[in-house]
Order: sequence, then C-alpha cells, then structure tokens
Amino acid sequence: IAGITQAPTSQILAAGRRMTLRCTQDMRHNAMYWYRQDLGLGLRLIHYSNTAGTTGKGEVPDGYSVSRANTDDFPLTLASAVPSQTSVYFCASSERLSLERTGELFFGEGSRLTVL
Amino acid sequence: KQEVTQIPAALSVPEGENLVLNCSFTDSAIYNLQWFRQDPGKGLTSLLLIQSSQREQTSGRLNASLDKSSGRSTLYIAASQPGDSATYLCAVRPSGSARQLTFGSGTQLTVLP
Repeated sequence: IAGITQAPTSQILAAGRRMTLRCTQDMRHNAMYWYRQDLGLGLRLIHYSNTAGTTGKGEVPDGYSVSRANTDDFPLTLASAVPSQTSVYFCASSERLSLERTGELFFGEGSRLTVL
Repeated sequence: KQEVTQIPAALSVPEGENLVLNCSFTDSAIYNLQWFRQDPGKGLTSLLLIQSSQREQTSGRLNASLDKSSGRSTLYIAASQPGDSATYLCAVRPSGSARQLTFGSGTQLTVLP
C-alpha cells in the first residue's frame, strides 16, 4: 500500500544526544513536510521541502535540520536533543500544486519522541 | 498571519445524530482547505479537500462546505456512529508563494452508543 513510512515509531533518548527521524514516501510527491504536534499547541511546521534538493524553514525550525537528497526520503535530525523537543513528529507529503493537482496532504503515522 | 480556529474543542453526541463541526480562518486568500481525522496515537487521515473555487465536497456521510468571504468551513457528519469518534482538524493552504498549511487545534468528537 502506497504511503508514508516513519521510523522509529517511538524513541526515548537522553538530552544532548543526536537523533534522526526517518521518513520515506512512495507516492513520488514533490513536497514533503515535518510537523510536531503538542497538546494545546496543535500541529506546527518545522521544515519543508518543495522538491528534491531544496528545503525551507517552517514555524519552529530551531534545533532541527533536514535534507532532501532524493524525492522519496526526508530525514529530520535533532543535533543535540533537549527536553522541549519531546513531542510527536509527523512527516507529510503532497504533490506539487498546479491546475490539475490539489496539493492534498498525506501523513505518516508519527514518531513519538521523549527527551529526558 | 493566518489563524485557524475550531470551536468547540470537544463535542459529545448520541449515536445517529447529525452534527456540524466548525472551522474559521482569518485570511480569506486561500488556495484550498482540507479536513482531516485523527484517531488516538495515529496520524492524520485526509477526509475532504475543498478548492477555493468550490463551495462544498461530499464523501459518503461527510459533507464539507466553504465560505471564503466569511472565513468559514463546516464539516457535516450525517447519522453519526461510534466509529466516527476521533479528533477532526481543518487546515488552510494559502494562495501566493507561501503555500504551507495552517492547522486548527481540532474538535474532539465522541459519539456515544
């Protein structure tokens, strides 16, 4: 079944450690996104990529980095994790917007990260 | 800056009732609006997407409407079932060069058997 795969599903790590959340999509979508979801704050965009080789900052980019070496993969890296980065992280993708394409957004199942 | 509001934050209804979930947004310059469903511990599932030129979209028991001029969208669920219990979120994609979505905080729906 086509879709978005995120890994790991859940992770606990110590503050100061480096962590990479993986995201792979098989829908050949141009655009990919990373969101974090926190109680009371909703979904907030961390970083995005409109096409392979390009990335951009979202609403809450500090402490996170991304890369987009190819169409399918969009990893999110926490260089030195802090407790405030405890959250559920969602990867999403959409087609490039055009007259024929709506840009409908599709989500992965999420990665629950706890930083102690 | 676009702001998206969903009221109420939580709603509980008996099975079989028809219900309406509300979504309001402050900037009417939108490209489209999308409704999602989120079950506990899961990702978001797309339900309906309405383009800015459309007034409504239907899928089964779900009907979403859009009134850009008033900055409102509604999600109508007919003949609600316990399986409809979930959090429903709306998201607005702006027109123009910055196309990233802005999400509402969601309405948590409980349908009682």
